[in-house]
Amino acid sequence: GQQVMQIPQYQHVQEGEDFTTYCNSSTTLSNIQWYKQRPGGHPVFLIQLVKSGEVKKQKRLTFQFGEAKKNSSLHITATQTTDVGTYFCAAPQGAGSYQLTFGKGTKLSVIP
Amino acid sequence: EAGVAQSPRYKIIEKRQSVAFWCNPISGHATLYWYQQILGQGPKLLIQFQNNGVVDDSQLPKDRFSAERLKGVDSTLKIQPAKLEDSAVYLCASSWAHNSPLHFGNGTRLTVT
Repeated sequence: GQQVMQIPQYQHVQEGEDFTTYCNSSTTLSNIQWYKQRPGGHPVFLIQLVKSGEVKKQKRLTFQFGEAKKNSSLHITATQTTDVGTYFCAAPQGAGSYQLTFGKGTKLSVIP
Repeated sequence: EAGVAQSPRYKIIEKRQSVAFWCNPISGHATLYWYQQILGQGPKLLIQFQNNGVVDDSQLPKDRFSAERLKGVDSTLKIQPAKLEDSAVYLCASSWAHNSPLHFGNGTRLTVT
């Protein structure tokens, strides 16, 4: 079945540095969602991207959906210690599928 | 609005024992999901309900796992008998409809010894 591949698996940054995580699929995605999971917590929805080339911003977070709808990225500007956690992308398993498949996530550590 | 409620928060059992988890979704959410999250991995969908009907259970180990959503509201997930590899966090989530954002509960951390 379709998988969404996420890279990198881990990222350690100094506070104030930027951070980017990437999500790639071999097939066209109808939409993609991003979630954040704090240590010991549960995934929390951040954003959903639907349109080709879509860019959405939430304060220091910028989300992009590729033109071919096969990849997506999450960029955080000037990281803060509150950004610590694991960021997951998730997308429907296939055309017309109901199953939302999660990537393996990128675990972000921020060094104060 | 009240969030997704799950219980218990933690459960420790021995292998071959049975265990049950309970979930109450956000009021009005038609779609309910059970995910299994093994440490260091992303959530893996076990079963998805639309109201009280099963939409997808392709990744549910049906020889030991079962789930139901009677009356289309709360749901239970059961494991019988448990294996060591079932140690994980079991997350329940709900959404207005499929493809809309998921709201997760706090999860149940299961340890099988």
